[in-house]
Amino acid sequence: DGGITQSPKYLFRKEGQNVTLSCEQNLNHDAMYWYRQDPGQGLRLIYYSQIVNDFQKGDIAEGYSVSREKKESFPLTVTSAQKNPTAFYLCASSIQASGSRDTQYFGPGTRLTVL
Amino acid sequence: AQKITQTQPGMFVQEKEAVTLDCTYDTSDQSYGLFWYKQPSSGEMIFLIYQGSYDEQNATEGRYSLNFQKARKSANLVISASQLGDSAMYFCAMREETDSWGKLQFGAGTQVVVTP
Repeated sequence: DGGITQSPKYLFRKEGQNVTLSCEQNLNHDAMYWYRQDPGQGLRLIYYSQIVNDFQKGDIAEGYSVSREKKESFPLTVTSAQKNPTAFYLCASSIQASGSRDTQYFGPGTRLTVL
Repeated sequence: AQKITQTQPGMFVQEKEAVTLDCTYDTSDQSYGLFWYKQPSSGEMIFLIYQGSYDEQNATEGRYSLNFQKARKSANLVISASQLGDSAMYFCAMREETDSWGKLQFGAGTQVVVTP
């Protein structure tokens, strides 16, 4: 089955710890995205990547880092510098980044709670 | 400035009835795409329907249709014959041609509860 997987589904972290969220896609999409969702709100873009070994900051990149070493994988690290990391994190991919027509497809999400 | 506005925070609809979810948008681009997503309580964002700014006909996908009024900058989602499984949060989103990131800009969402 083609799709996007994210792991873990739930993640608990102590303050001051870095944690990495996994995102894998087998859709052969070039573009991948990380969004953050807070309760009762829409999604906000953290990072995006148009192609392997290239990524760009989104609207709320502070305290986060990413890598794109393989086309299929786009892991997100939430660092201790992120002031309020408790949120729901969604990974998405699309065929390409440019153009208004390409649909983004989402993974099931990771719910991160900082204790 | 908010680019996508969904004015209905929540609504109840009876099973088998139709429901319209409002969405207005703000852009100066001539080319843009409008998307609707469904988010059930499990959290996954499920793509429902797409409308391009140059599409002359309103988009339809099964029980979902989009009432696109370009001059009014509105893209309302219509769900016909509601089912209990339609209970979820619904988000309207826009992607502008001039945004090289391909970023989706989301509204705050509308919570729909379908009652028997």
